[in-house]
Amino acid sequence: GAGVSQSPRYKVTKRGQDVALRCDPISGHVSLYWYRQALGQGPEFLTYFNYEAQQDKSGLPNDRFSAERPEGSISTLTIQRTEQRDSAMYRCASSPTDNQPQHFGDGTRLSIL
Amino acid sequence: EDQVTQSPEALRLQEGESSSLNCSYTVSGLRGLFWYRQDPGKGPEFLFTLYSAGEEKEKERLKATLTKKESFLHITAPKPEDSATYLCAVQAGGSYIPTFGRGTSLIVHP
Repeated sequence: GAGVSQSPRYKVTKRGQDVALRCDPISGHVSLYWYRQALGQGPEFLTYFNYEAQQDKSGLPNDRFSAERPEGSISTLTIQRTEQRDSAMYRCASSPTDNQPQHFGDGTRLSIL
Repeated sequence: EDQVTQSPEALRLQEGESSSLNCSYTVSGLRGLFWYRQDPGKGPEFLFTLYSAGEEKEKERLKATLTKKESFLHITAPKPEDSATYLCAVQAGGSYIPTFGRGTSLIVHP
């Protein structure tokens, strides 16, 4: 498929565990964004990359959250020592450059028990 | 702080009943305004980009317009398949981070 792919689609884990969410962007897209979306709300920015460089991480809630894109393609959002408040839909989007429309994946639904 | 407000929160229309959705914004130096459509369980799907006041874009039954303070998404003779949440996002100033509104949930009854 040519779209943005996120895995897993659903993740259920116990409080205190670490989780890693994966995003495979559209081939050739320079920019990759991570968002969190609550029900009935628009996506809330977390962080974004151009190529492998993290351009802005101001939306990450705290230092338990981190992201990387080591080869400028696939990205991983990692949440350490998960808490129940981390439960949400996490979405990834990519775009040809950072001032162009974004293409979204279908998200990872994270549930912390 | 950049603000994006969408109204109404929810809209119910009969098939064929035209209407408009509003996205008002308070930003410094608009770079671009984006409209997306989001179906349940799916990620947002890009519809339009508008860059300057007076600009208009059309696609099938949808038409997006832009002024210096707001954008409208006009839906002409909607069909049930137009039912979705419509999201507006703006990029402004020196930032490439979009700020999204909360969306308008549109239901079109046959």
